[in-house]
Amino acid sequence: DVKVTQSSRYLVKRTGEKVFLECVQDMDHENMFWYRQDPGLGLRLIYFSYDVKMKEKGDIPEGYSVSREKKERFSLILESASTNQTSMYLCASSPSRGQGIMNEQFFGPGTRLTVL
Amino acid sequence: KNQVEQSPQSLIILEGKNCTLQCNYTVSPFSNLRWYKQDTGRGPVSLTIMTFSENTKSNGRYTATLDADTKQSSLHITASQLSDSASYICVVRGSGGSYIPTFGRGTSLIVHP
Repeated sequence: DVKVTQSSRYLVKRTGEKVFLECVQDMDHENMFWYRQDPGLGLRLIYFSYDVKMKEKGDIPEGYSVSREKKERFSLILESASTNQTSMYLCASSPSRGQGIMNEQFFGPGTRLTVL
Repeated sequence: KNQVEQSPQSLIILEGKNCTLQCNYTVSPFSNLRWYKQDTGRGPVSLTIMTFSENTKSNGRYTATLDADTKQSSLHITASQLSDSASYICVVRGSGGSYIPTFGRGTSLIVHP
């Protein structure tokens, strides 16, 4: 059974704090993604990674950074949290072109982050 | 710019009724289109995938259609159940090796008893 896990379901932080969101997948997938999801806006891509230590900016990378030191783990970092980063954060993974069924993305359960 | 537009934004129906959700896209060249279901508080889960050569595909009470000429897809839900209450997201991937699909904003479906 495929699985993507996220370190926290709910998180409350204060403005200016450094925040780490962790994501782990057990499917040996090459690609991993971080999205944020806001009402009326849908899922927006923050960063993605197609290999260990590789990262690419998505549509809204400002205020975020990422780290991928191991294939199974992809971390999202908010260097100095702000109230406009209050959102639902979703991690996903997918196989590379030659591996999976036309690149289906498998999502974690999400982390609802509130920044006060 | 690649875009995926979904309609309606939200929908309320009575249990047992049918409904149809729409997805229009501009992604080109086209590779595949997925419909995801996202229950409240959960991550999206794939319902079905449509490729260029496929017109219709069913998954239980869910039937997806694709018209690649007009760049439109629909998701039809038959005999709705309370558990169908969720957000339905249309996701389109272009060809050419891109890892990045384009997401629609979703349709929020509420099924009332």
